[in-house]
Amino acid sequence: EAGVTQFPSHSVIEKGQTVTLRCDPISGHDNLYWYRRVMGKEIKFLLHFVKESKQDESGMPNNRFLAERTGGTYSTLKVQPAELEDSGVYFCASSQVALPGGKTDTQYFGPGTRLTVL
Amino acid sequence: QKEVEQDPGPLSVPEGAIVSLNCTYSNSAFQYFMWYRQYSRKGPELLMYTYSSGNKEDGRFTAQVDKSSKYISLFIRDSQPSDSATYLCAMIRGSTLGRLYFGRGTQLTVWP
Repeated sequence: EAGVTQFPSHSVIEKGQTVTLRCDPISGHDNLYWYRRVMGKEIKFLLHFVKESKQDESGMPNNRFLAERTGGTYSTLKVQPAELEDSGVYFCASSQVALPGGKTDTQYFGPGTRLTVL
Repeated sequence: QKEVEQDPGPLSVPEGAIVSLNCTYSNSAFQYFMWYRQYSRKGPELLMYTYSSGNKEDGRFTAQVDKSSKYISLFIRDSQPSDSATYLCAMIRGSTLGRLYFGRGTQLTVWP
């Protein structure tokens, strides 16, 4: 079974440009998460999709970030325009179900996209 | 104050040593506790998952949760060079399905 895949693995762009990151979750996983790790800091939550709906986008830093998951399969995260502080590693994770009562299924992480904004 | 505190290390031990990694947290709403392992240029991989206070053992790994002290630990027995990685603690609040709160991670090196 293929794991979570992310593309590209590395992206270097200039401030003001646009970048789109893609995540393909494990087949059949309804839940898809985006996280980000800025250098020297902890991995931080960005948002959570359940199928194609945004369940929680409270971690999105500002309106320069746009996430989509059309059709409930793969997801894209667009940064437009990119700023220097957007540099970091963007992780995508997926899980099969979000169980009632606050229980949760294992989140499987992709290898991340390393974004460098110059 | 960060919600989850974890000493980033680095921690360097000889092969065969017992390794102790730990995290503290400030929010009593955290109910689910995980340890992830991350190798260089890879994504985090779940090692252990616990819900209640107490110990959970899986092979050479033991996870310990003390909710009264808001303190969690991961012990690695008979450490191996292949255990060299970054270890991240993560937590979930009971009210937020799936959103993980991570510590900064501790970088561990086990030398032969």
